[in-house]
Amino acid sequence: QKEVEQNSGPLSVPEGAIASLNCTYSDRVSQSFFWYRQYSGKSPELIMSIYSNGDKEDGRFTAQLNKASQYVSLLIRDSQPSDSATYLCALNNNDMRFGAGTRLTVKP
Amino acid sequence: KAGVTQTPRYLIKTRGQQVTLSCSPISGHRSVSWYQQTPGQGLQFLFEYFSETQRNKGNFPGRFSGRQFSNSRSEMNVSTLELGDSALYLCASSPGRLDNSPLHFGNGTRLTVT
Repeated sequence: QKEVEQNSGPLSVPEGAIASLNCTYSDRVSQSFFWYRQYSGKSPELIMSIYSNGDKEDGRFTAQLNKASQYVSLLIRDSQPSDSATYLCALNNNDMRFGAGTRLTVKP
Repeated sequence: KAGVTQTPRYLIKTRGQQVTLSCSPISGHRSVSWYQQTPGQGLQFLFEYFSETQRNKGNFPGRFSGRQFSNSRSEMNVSTLELGDSALYLCASSPGRLDNSPLHFGNGTRLTVT
């Protein structure tokens, strides 16, 4: 089992819809979780950090963490075509480990 | 504040050659990590340096090496290049040890081995 698992997608949603991205992890020790967005040909950029169970909201983005079930998710409300990118889930386990990423397409 | 700077942006090398990539972290950041990104493997951790010491190393052959200088700038070297080394090499910095700090990435160096 990979340390960080994500559905590779592609995930396609219409403009204005909610996009839901999920990530599961295998290491119960991990305490820090991150979501990065990567546009094609660009480097990853940090969207959200989450460290404790529950929800964390930042604008149109909400990260959810459930350590007991070992999953972390990212919700994007009112999706825009500019949100089309690959979203990487990452966790800190002595070093930062990344999932393979989920490719999101938001259709106008 | 200036971001993470990687040079060069693009490199074309032939098999058997060696290459050195450079990374300047965000001012004040002391931890520098290197990643290899390929379409098939995603982001793979190479190594992390903190205060000129390699703290962690990923599962890459010894042809991949790195170092960090007293000003936190880092270099990575790949010797005896193979076709499979073609990838985007990303450097990322954080303030200290990777406890809770997120990584901030540079724009990457695109290496093509022919």
